[in-house]
Amino acid sequence: AQSVSQHNHHVILSEAASLELGCNYSYGGTVNLFWYVQYPGQHLQLLLKYFSGDPLVKGIKGFEAEFIKSKFSFNLRKPSVQWSDTAEYFCAVIPNYGGSQGNLIFGKGTKLSVKP
Amino acid sequence: ETGVTQSPTHLIKTRGQQVTLRCSSQSGHNTVSWYQQALGQGPQFIFQYYREEENGRGNFPPRFSGLQFPNYSSELNVNALELDDSALYLCASSHNRNSGNTIYFGEGSWLTVV
Repeated sequence: AQSVSQHNHHVILSEAASLELGCNYSYGGTVNLFWYVQYPGQHLQLLLKYFSGDPLVKGIKGFEAEFIKSKFSFNLRKPSVQWSDTAEYFCAVIPNYGGSQGNLIFGKGTKLSVKP
Repeated sequence: ETGVTQSPTHLIKTRGQQVTLRCSSQSGHNTVSWYQQALGQGPQFIFQYYREEENGRGNFPPRFSGLQFPNYSSELNVNALELDDSALYLCASSHNRNSGNTIYFGEGSWLTVV
C-alpha cells in the first residue's frame, strides 16, 4: 500500500532560522504531491502542490518544496521562519492512476513550533 | 475561507450510538471526500462521492456510510460508535475527480465518543 513518511514529529526553531521538513512517499508511478498546513483551530490549507514540470515549486507565505523523483522525496523549505508559521504541516500524495483522482494519502504530520 | 462548511463543529456521543455529520461543498464542486484525523495523526481517507455515487473507499468498516445529494452536499454516518471513532472528521471538495484539481477542506467536525 502507498504511504507517506514525514521524518520529524516535532520541530522547534527560533525566528529567522531556516526550515526543512522531510517527506518521502512509496509509490513507483506518477504522483501529485502536496503540502498542507493546519494552524491551530483552523482548516487544512494548501501551501503548495506539484503535478509536473519544474521540480522546485513555490507556494504561499515564502514556502517552497523540491521534488526529487529518484529519492521519492518532496521536502518543504523556508529560508527564514516566523512565529506565525507555528502550525502542523502535512505532506500528501495522490497516486495518479491515469488522470483519475485517487484519494489524498497523508503523512502523520510535523508540528512546527517557532520561538519568538 | 474555502467555501466548504461542515456541521456540527463539535459533538459528544455515547458508545453504541449513531452520528450524522454534514458537509456543504464549495459551489460548483461535484466531488466530496471524507477523512478521519485522529489525534496526532494525519487525515485518513474514508470514502469519496462523485455525482451522488461512491467513488472509492478507504480501510473503514461498513458502519461508516455516506450519501451525496443532488446539490452535491454530503453526509457521513457512523453507526455503533466506538471509543476509537473519536476524531476530527474532515470533508473535502473538488471539481470532478481529476487529479489535477485542487482539493479544499472544511474546518471539520470534532467527534468525542464516551
